[in-house]
This record gives sequence, C-alpha cells and structure tokens, in this order.
Amino acid sequence: NAGVTQTPKFQVLKTGQSMTLQCAQDMNHEYMSWYRQDPGMGLRLIHYSVGAGITDQGEVPNGYNVSRSTTEDFPLRLLSAAPSQTSVYFCASSRTGGRLAGAEQYFGPGTRLTVT
Amino acid sequence: KNEVEQSPQNLTAQEGEFITINCSYSVGISALHWLQQHPGGGIVSLFMLSSGKKKHGRLIATINIQEKHSSLHITASHPRDSAVYICAVNRGTGNQFYFGTGTSLTVIP
Repeated sequence: NAGVTQTPKFQVLKTGQSMTLQCAQDMNHEYMSWYRQDPGMGLRLIHYSVGAGITDQGEVPNGYNVSRSTTEDFPLRLLSAAPSQTSVYFCASSRTGGRLAGAEQYFGPGTRLTVT
Repeated sequence: KNEVEQSPQNLTAQEGEFITINCSYSVGISALHWLQQHPGGGIVSLFMLSSGKKKHGRLIATINIQEKHSSLHITASHPRDSAVYICAVNRGTGNQFYFGTGTSLTVIP
C-alpha cells in the first residue's frame, strides 16, 4: 500500500492564483481531512469528509474548497491564493472510529505552499 | 485557550538521558494520540491510547483519564529521536482531532 499520497510537494503561487492540492489514499478509509501547519501553532483542521459525497468545514475553512467524489481522493482547492495561506498542508485519513475506540490517522508527506 | 497543552515546548537532552514530554487536555476524549514529526518530514503515529500504558521499543506512553493527562517517555535517548512530538485527542463520537503545538526535542550526541 502507498498509504496517503499528496502532490505536489512544493508549490509557489502568486496572490490571486488558484490551484488544487491532491490527496489520495489506498486503505479504503472513510474519513479524510486536510490540515494546515503553521509555526507556533498546532495542526488546524481545514475541511474533512466522513465518506464519498460528504464534506464539512473544520476550524479554518475560509478560502478553501473540497469535494469527495470517490473514497480514495480528497482534493483541496485554493480559490484565490493569499499570502496568509502560506503554510504546510497535510492530508490524513482514518477508518471511521467508534465512540470509544478513536481512530489512528495516517498522514501524507505534506505540501509546502508559498504565496507571494 | 488551546484544548490540548504540551510541555515543554522545547527540550534538549544528552544522548542516553531519560526524556518525558507531557500533555494535558481539558475536554472529554475517546482517545489520545502521540505523533512524531522529523524536521522537514511527514507525521507518523506513535501511539493511540484510551487508558493505561503502551510500550514500543524505547518509547512508553501513559494516560491518566481522571487527571486528563498523558506522558510520553523515551528511554536511552538517541540523536535519531530528535523530532517534534505532537499530542492529539479524538473528541466524543467524531474523528476530528485536536492538536497540541508540539514539543521540539533535540538529542545531542
């Protein structure tokens, strides 16, 4: 299994440009999520999905869109890039955990995005 | 206020030392996770706990549900243990995770 894959690894955008960060997993996980990681702050949830066709907002959704047409793929779209979106982005997946079980997350390698 | 607090933020140790990283949380959880992130690298899961203690090699994780506290211990530390260690919790019924800001560990030979 490849686990969770992300592309690209690095990206530089100009303010106002749009782009899509790709994320795919081959573990048949129902739950997928996108986080951003900024210096001095914990990982923050952008959007998540509990299954194909179902998405919801996390803590910091503004400026980002997602869709989940298949179990495997969960792309993140930046609509009009801003310097505040300079960050490292991680995609993660997990099986849907029960109330008492929790669920182990598997992370992709990250995408380092710079917006100038 | 962050729901997950870690201490210390930064830690430098000599090779061979016993290391403890602490995590406190203020909400009800279904599980607590310890993650490791090497410089410039991805994030890997070390432990998932809902009670008691788990051990993997030189790493030990403990959790006290009543006190809402967990510790990650590294015995006989080695320079390759240098990384950021992140505490995260699952809340309630969902799969959403809430993260501490991480503890940056440097082990000097």
